[in-house]
Amino acid sequence: GAVVSQHPSRVICKSGTSVKIECRSLDFQATTMFWYRQFPKQSLMLMATSNEGSKATYEQGVEKDKFLINHASLTLSTLTVTSAHPEDSSFYICSARFAQGLNTEAFFGQGTRLTVV
Amino acid sequence: AQTVTQSQPEMSVQEAETVTLSCTYDTSESDYYLFWYKQPPSRQMILVIRQEAYKQQNATENRFSVNFQKAAKSFSLKISDSQLGDAAMYFCAYRIDYGGATNKLIFGTGTLLAVQP
Repeated sequence: GAVVSQHPSRVICKSGTSVKIECRSLDFQATTMFWYRQFPKQSLMLMATSNEGSKATYEQGVEKDKFLINHASLTLSTLTVTSAHPEDSSFYICSARFAQGLNTEAFFGQGTRLTVV
Repeated sequence: AQTVTQSQPEMSVQEAETVTLSCTYDTSESDYYLFWYKQPPSRQMILVIRQEAYKQQNATENRFSVNFQKAAKSFSLKISDSQLGDAAMYFCAYRIDYGGATNKLIFGTGTLLAVQP
């Protein structure tokens, strides 16, 4: 299957700082990327859907000013957690879908474990 | 609104035995996809199997097969000849089949499968 690379895999940051997570589709063009948050032993919670060249669509309850999403190219989307707090500590996962057609899969990155201290 | 329910938080199976994971969903749509994803301890989401709602034939992938009951809105996963590597969290997911690449996956709460040697 197609490869989605997420970087970094782990990051520790100080409270009040910002951290950027990258999601790259390595061998396909993805018009749409999805960002999820996952708490321990829980399901994936969709945070936002990002389309290349346009503003992201955020799910209800997700602060768009805190979780900045940029999807500037067909192969790269970034999630920036601004002014991070310990409660933002979580596992963040991205996924990407092919640009063409409906009958396509969403491929997932390996996730980023964010720890805010 | 569409929902996905997994009523088994945890399951256990002996190596080489067969186990069935349950999933029900609620939707008013007629065209959609259903998926089973595996999330091992590495946290990488892996697609196990996919079923198109318009297909009556149950999907199979090697040791993995589904029992898709559209009228009952049921989509169970059967794992035959269970292996130690099958131990993981399994998520059932739903996606509508129109509207383009922005269609989002709706996940169930997951079933943690343990495989006993």
